[in-house]
Amino acid sequence: QTVVTQEPSLTVSPGETVTLTCGFSPGAVTSGYYPHWLQQKAGQAPRALIYSTIARHSWTPARFSGSLLGGKAALTLSGVQPEDEGDYYCLLKFGSGWAFGTGTKLTVL
Amino acid sequence: EVQLVQSGAEVKKPGESLKISCKGSGYTFADYWIGWVRQMPGKGLEWMGIIYPGDSDTRYSPSFQGQVTISADKYTMSANLQWSSLRASDSGMYYCARVLGGNQIDFWGQGTLVTVSS
Repeated sequence: QTVVTQEPSLTVSPGETVTLTCGFSPGAVTSGYYPHWLQQKAGQAPRALIYSTIARHSWTPARFSGSLLGGKAALTLSGVQPEDEGDYYCLLKFGSGWAFGTGTKLTVL
Repeated sequence: EVQLVQSGAEVKKPGESLKISCKGSGYTFADYWIGWVRQMPGKGLEWMGIIYPGDSDTRYSPSFQGQVTISADKYTMSANLQWSSLRASDSGMYYCARVLGGNQIDFWGQGTLVTVSS
């Protein structure tokens, strides 16, 4: 089974910009994998942020943006807020199935 | 308003059977896939499988094929996840999520905590 990898943890200060990535080996993430990004805060259900690489849901703040970067899917937070602290997961579609990334724990200090 | 409301927490013994549910409202339930996701304590998210309530077309992740059964009833607007014989390793939080066109995941249920212990 394909392993989708993410940075285990990142620490940023409020107001900074941070980029999380999502990839698998061997191979490159393309839009055909319908990359999604989800946020999960402690004790809560996941919340969808980005789908189909770059599309935001109606509830997704504009500071969250998705892209493809160097063969990986990427989530950029521009102007991080304290409430952005949590776990972030990417999700890729492989054929008729899906696979989550290993998750990134984002700490805002 | 779209909502997915999951059944309540369960405490079971090894070997027992269990069915948990995910009830949709605020949209045409039969027209959207429902996916199931496991999260073991302190761990990441795992994709279990997906079902299309319109015709019960079901796809399982290889890791969960044969371990669980996913079903749906478009008339009661519920999707279900069931085990015939639980193991301690089935303990965890289980989430359902709505999938549009098989490619866009948007709304999530609140989760059902399953605890399997003797």
